[in-house]
Order: sequence, then structure tokens, then C-alpha cells
Amino acid sequence: QKEVEQNSGPLSVPEGAIASLNCTYSDRGSQSFFWYRQYSGKSPELIMSIYSNGDKEDGRFTAQLNKASQYVSLLIRDSQPSDSATYLCAVKPPQGGKLIFGQGTELSVKP
Amino acid sequence: GAVVSQHPSWVICKSGTSVKIECRSLDFQATTMFWYRQFPKQSLMLMATSNEGSKATYEQGVEKDKFLINHASLTLSTLTVTSAHPEDSSFYICSAYVTRQGNTIYFGEGSWLTVV
Repeated sequence: QKEVEQNSGPLSVPEGAIASLNCTYSDRGSQSFFWYRQYSGKSPELIMSIYSNGDKEDGRFTAQLNKASQYVSLLIRDSQPSDSATYLCAVKPPQGGKLIFGQGTELSVKP
Repeated sequence: GAVVSQHPSWVICKSGTSVKIECRSLDFQATTMFWYRQFPKQSLMLMATSNEGSKATYEQGVEKDKFLINHASLTLSTLTVTSAHPEDSSFYICSAYVTRQGNTIYFGEGSWLTVV
């Protein structure tokens, strides 16, 4: 089992719809969770961080964390074509400083 | 603005030569930096953890003699690809924890290496 798993996609949604990106992780002791967006040919940029169970909202983005289910998700409301990118889920395990990344989900927002 | 800066953004070198990539933390001290490699359409692969003042910690399968990492100051880590070959052509990205931003990892802009 991979430490951090994401559906590779591509996930295609129409403009204005809600895009839902999902991620599961294997280390139950993990405490810090991050979503990064990566445009083709560019480095990842941080969108959201979440540390507590529940929802965290920032503009059109909402991160959801359920530690009991070892599940973290990212919702993008009112999706725009400019949201088309690969979204990386990252988890910081309890030991050590490095992040564990999922393989990324490619999102395509169609005008 | 950017908090982690990489240079150069892209570089072309001849096979057999060495190339150095710099990663700088801007306005903060980074005792630990991370180096990743990413091939087209693939996920990030952690190569090594760079520790200021000590040897880097390499991930399994990464040749430490080929990918030399130096973290001589609290704001600069360098990755040197030695005796580069075309298969080393890739996107190299560094990252660092930014404590003033909630101890979150931020990435540099990345460096495209093409070995011809």
C-alpha cells in the first residue's frame, strides 16, 4: 500500500462546477496535511494546509480532514479553466521532516 | 512573493560535464532543504534531505556521488549533478520549511536540466 494515495485522473469538470479531489494516507499518526497545485512545467505551489479534523475554507477552496478515516480532500467551488493543473496531496508523518506526496490528480476544467 | 529561490531556471550541458543548481531561502534561515526530481508526467521524487553543516541524507537508490549536495550556509543549498548523462535530464526542485508561514514547505521555482 502506498503511503499517500490519490486517483491519478484525469478528472474533468465543467466550468462553474465543484471539483472534488481525494487523498488517503496510511500513517495514522500523521498530523499535517497539505494540498499543492502544479501547473505543467512549473513547481508546486501551496494551496492549503490542514491540521485538525473538519473543514478549512480559503476562498473557493475547502480542505476536509478525517483522521479516523485517514482521508483528506480538496473541494474547488466554481471551478475555472485556470484551475486546470495537477493537484498534489502531501502528508507529514509523525517522525521526520520530509513530506510524503501522492502521485497527484490531474484536473481539467472545461469551458 | 517567492520565499525559496532556485537558479538557474534552465540549463543545458554537455554529456560528461557537471552542473550546479542553487537553492536559496529568502529572508529566513533554512536548516533543512529538500531536493526533488520530476520527470515529465510523473510525480515528485525526493532525492535527498540537505542539512546545514552536515552530510545530506539520500533516499534509497539515489547515487550520492553523482548528485552532490552541499548546504554550507543557512540560506543556501546546492545540488551538483556530476558527469551528467542524457538520462539525468529532468526537472529539479528544491524546497524548505518556512517557519514564519506555519512551518509549511515551500518550493523553489525549479530548474530544468537538459543534457545533450
